[in-house]
Amino acid sequence: NAGVTQTPKFRVLKTGQSMTLLCAQDMNHEYMYWYRQDPGMGLRLIHYSVGEGTTAKGEVPDGYNVSRLKKQNFLLGLESAAPSQTSVYFCASSLIGRGTDTQYFGPGTRLTVL
Amino acid sequence: KQEVTQIPAALSVPEGENLVLNCSFTDSAIYNLQWFRQDPGKGLTSLLLIQSSQREQTSGRLNASLDKSSGRSTLYIAASQPGDSATYLCAVSSGANNLFFGTGTRLTVIP
Repeated sequence: NAGVTQTPKFRVLKTGQSMTLLCAQDMNHEYMYWYRQDPGMGLRLIHYSVGEGTTAKGEVPDGYNVSRLKKQNFLLGLESAAPSQTSVYFCASSLIGRGTDTQYFGPGTRLTVL
Repeated sequence: KQEVTQIPAALSVPEGENLVLNCSFTDSAIYNLQWFRQDPGKGLTSLLLIQSSQREQTSGRLNASLDKSSGRSTLYIAASQPGDSATYLCAVSSGANNLFFGTGTRLTVIP
């Protein structure tokens, strides 16, 4: 039981490049989330999904897109990376949504945009 | 918008000491409050979750309290150990599919 895994662990991009971050969970959770963590700020929700085939915007969705084609996977895409997107990205999942139960977090992806 | 504040930002204590970490939030209409631990370069691990109807939760040497009306929570760590060194994050759920996080308290337990 691996829990929540994220690929890749580190990535360096040039401004304007695109990339996709992959999140996978093996706990059969319905809800999945993408957060970013920046120095001096709490984690902020980018996008989330309440089930396979669904996505919704969080607090800071601009510049990102997501897809949930399979229940166990949640992808975060950057179409044209900007230096402001330099951050640590965390994926999380939970069995029940609406903040009523524990969210389980992946180890994070550290992204640098030059 | 919910604002979550954690004070102090950093704390150093000698091994064996009992300590309290503080969390405050601006909107008392919450579903629950969670405390997480984050080790350097790692993800978050949930420590305790307190539902809005509860006053406290305990797990081992950890005890978290919630005073919803005053917008405060505390995390009490008894008999601290060097292995407790980490950043502790407080997060509040206000009912939508979003957790509002504080910026954390970085704890160092000195052997």
